[in-house]
Amino acid sequence: GGIITQTPKFLIGQEGQKLTLKCQQNFNHDTMYWYRQDSGKGLRLIYYSITENDLQKGDLSEGYDASREKKSSFSLTVTSAQKNEMAVFLCASSIGTGNTGQLYFGEGSKLTVL
Amino acid sequence: GEKVEQHESTLSVREGDSAVINCTYTDTASSYFPWYKQEAGKSLHFVIDIRSNVDRKQSQRLIVLLDKKAKRFSLHITATQPEDSAIYFCAASMSQGGSAKLIFGEGTKLTVSS
Repeated sequence: GGIITQTPKFLIGQEGQKLTLKCQQNFNHDTMYWYRQDSGKGLRLIYYSITENDLQKGDLSEGYDASREKKSSFSLTVTSAQKNEMAVFLCASSIGTGNTGQLYFGEGSKLTVL
Repeated sequence: GEKVEQHESTLSVREGDSAVINCTYTDTASSYFPWYKQEAGKSLHFVIDIRSNVDRKQSQRLIVLLDKKAKRFSLHITATQPEDSAIYFCAASMSQGGSAKLIFGEGTKLTVSS
């Protein structure tokens, strides 16, 4: 089996700071995703990528940048952290683009902005 | 855009009883409906899915029903056990120009008491 590794697990930042989250997968999956999970709001898609160097915006892309440097890695940047922001960011991967198979999720990166 | 709603934010059942979680979706083009489970402090993992060419699918104690006319699908967990306690997310996928992405519901927290 494979694994998705997210780093860091916990991230504390200051208002206005640029913060980067990293995700690595060894499934050899084509598609990778970044979701934001807020309590009571489910998961919302920020960005996804169907292949190396591809980027597709999700519903929540404003305030974020992403980069698919190679097939196995997908990073997410919070361009300007908002004061008192708290959320969990989940990275996922799949063989296809969501309609062809299940998503495999990482354990999440918890962001706290002071 | 597509919306997926979970009708129950919380659900409590006694061990051995059945639990039913209901979801509705808005886009008639949706064709893939997976369910994910998130245990306390852990990430999401896939449990079962159904595609629009069938209206019922069973995997051990899990049954998924799909009513395309009503744009409704549901997860039935039979003979519940304490380890079924978790947050369950439904999702729906539609295709746009060859790419697809999952839209998640808000989650239902299931508590199974012994």
